[in-house]
Amino acid sequence: QSALTQPHSVSGSPGQSVTITCTRTSSDVGNYNFVSWYQQHPGKAPKLMIYDVSKRPSGVPDRFSGSKSGNTTSLTISGLQAEDEADYFCCSYAGRYIWVFGGGTKVTV
Amino acid sequence: QVQLVQSGAEAKKPGASVKVSCEASGYTFTDYYIHWVRQALGQGLEWMGWINPDNGGSNYAKKFQGRVTLTRDTSINTAYMEMSRLRADDTAVYYCARGPIQPTEDWFDPWGQGTLVTV
Repeated sequence: QSALTQPHSVSGSPGQSVTITCTRTSSDVGNYNFVSWYQQHPGKAPKLMIYDVSKRPSGVPDRFSGSKSGNTTSLTISGLQAEDEADYFCCSYAGRYIWVFGGGTKVTV
Repeated sequence: QVQLVQSGAEAKKPGASVKVSCEASGYTFTDYYIHWVRQALGQGLEWMGWINPDNGGSNYAKKFQGRVTLTRDTSINTAYMEMSRLRADDTAVYYCARGPIQPTEDWFDPWGQGTLVTV
């Protein structure tokens, strides 16, 4: 069982906002300040969407944003588009040079 | 552009070993970690370990210690993941991904295209 818990699925209509949570369920995920999010379309490699909780790499639309509150980090997709339908995974540095992924969330538009 | 290109699909028998390569281009190979992540069909991502191409240092998830070996060849900018004593449940797509060496930020980008290993 992952030390990072994500909802199995979330859904929204085009133009709406959806939020995916990633909750630390174990102290084995370090200080939880290094959390990144990845988007994965079927049959494709994951793509970095957010890193260090809330930083957005160049080229990622500003519809994607990240935040943190206590033991939960969140990825919010605003103005949902059809192309946002994918699986999303959170990942955290767990300390001692170890990383851990959440179980993934399927976003349906 | 920064790119990681992996070797092709492999089919192995239980108990055998497999070695997957990951060739880097578009950046200085020794300036970033290479991480390995696997994904069973229809399942989530599982972090396996990393290698520092500069000095060959590595670390592994506890689950893979003793069965996975990460190496690199800096002359051809290529990292390798070798897994021994393969089992049916090792059937998965294996990815390599670049990550920062400095502890001031944390990300995996880009990712290789993935290599399907079927046991």
